[in-house]
Amino acid sequence: DAKTTQPPSMDCAEGRAANLPCNHSTISGNEYVYWYRQIHSQGPQYIIHGLKNNETNEMASLIITEDRKSSTLILPHATLRDTAVYYCIVRVFPLLTFGKGTLLTVNP
Amino acid sequence: NAGVTQTPKFRVLKTGQSMTLLCAQDMNHEYMYWYRQDPGMGLRLIHYSVGEGTTAKGEVPDGYNVSRLKKQNFLLGLESAAPSQTSVYFCASSYASNQPQHFGDGTRLSIL
Repeated sequence: DAKTTQPPSMDCAEGRAANLPCNHSTISGNEYVYWYRQIHSQGPQYIIHGLKNNETNEMASLIITEDRKSSTLILPHATLRDTAVYYCIVRVFPLLTFGKGTLLTVNP
Repeated sequence: NAGVTQTPKFRVLKTGQSMTLLCAQDMNHEYMYWYRQDPGMGLRLIHYSVGEGTTAKGEVPDGYNVSRLKKQNFLLGLESAAPSQTSVYFCASSYASNQPQHFGDGTRLSIL
C-alpha cells in the first residue's frame, strides 16, 4: 500500500524555486521521509531525508510539518537538468518503496 | 570515485538461459540491494544483504538467487530466464539500514 501521496506532475520556470509537496498522513514516529529523483531512467539519485526537523543540503531543502503528516521538497533555483521524476518515500527497512512520484518539468 | 557499478549494462537472453548480474561498490557499505523496475510499477526489492556472507529475500525474490561472497560485490543470478524477467535491474548500497541508498545506472535485460 502506498504510504505517500504526490501530485503526478508539476511545472517550474528555470531559476525559480520548485516546491514539491508530499502527504504521508500514516507515518509512524520512527519512520524517515526520503526524497529521490530519477532522470531519464537512470538509477535513482538520493536527494535528502529527514525525521522531524527541517533539513538542508547542497541540493535541496526538506520542510516537514510539525505533525509530520506532510513535507515539501524545495529546489531553490531549478535548472533544466532538474527535470525528473521525484519520489517521496516513507521508509520501512528493508523496503524503499517507490510510488509513481511527481514529474517535475523545468521550463526555459 | 566510481560508487556503484553494474555489469553488464545491456543483455538479451533466450528463455531458459542463465546469467549473472554483477554489482560492485567502492564505498565500504555494509548493505546492498537488488531491485527491478518495470513500467508503471516503480522499483521492487528482489533481494538484499546486510553484510558479507548474508542475503535475504525482498518483495519479489522468486526466480532469482544472490550471493555476497565479498563485501564489495553483490551478484544476482537468473538460473532459467523467463520473459517475465525482462526488466531494468538496479543495484544499490548503503552504509546502514537507515542511511541513504546509492544506486547504479542499471542493467537493461531482455528475455526473448
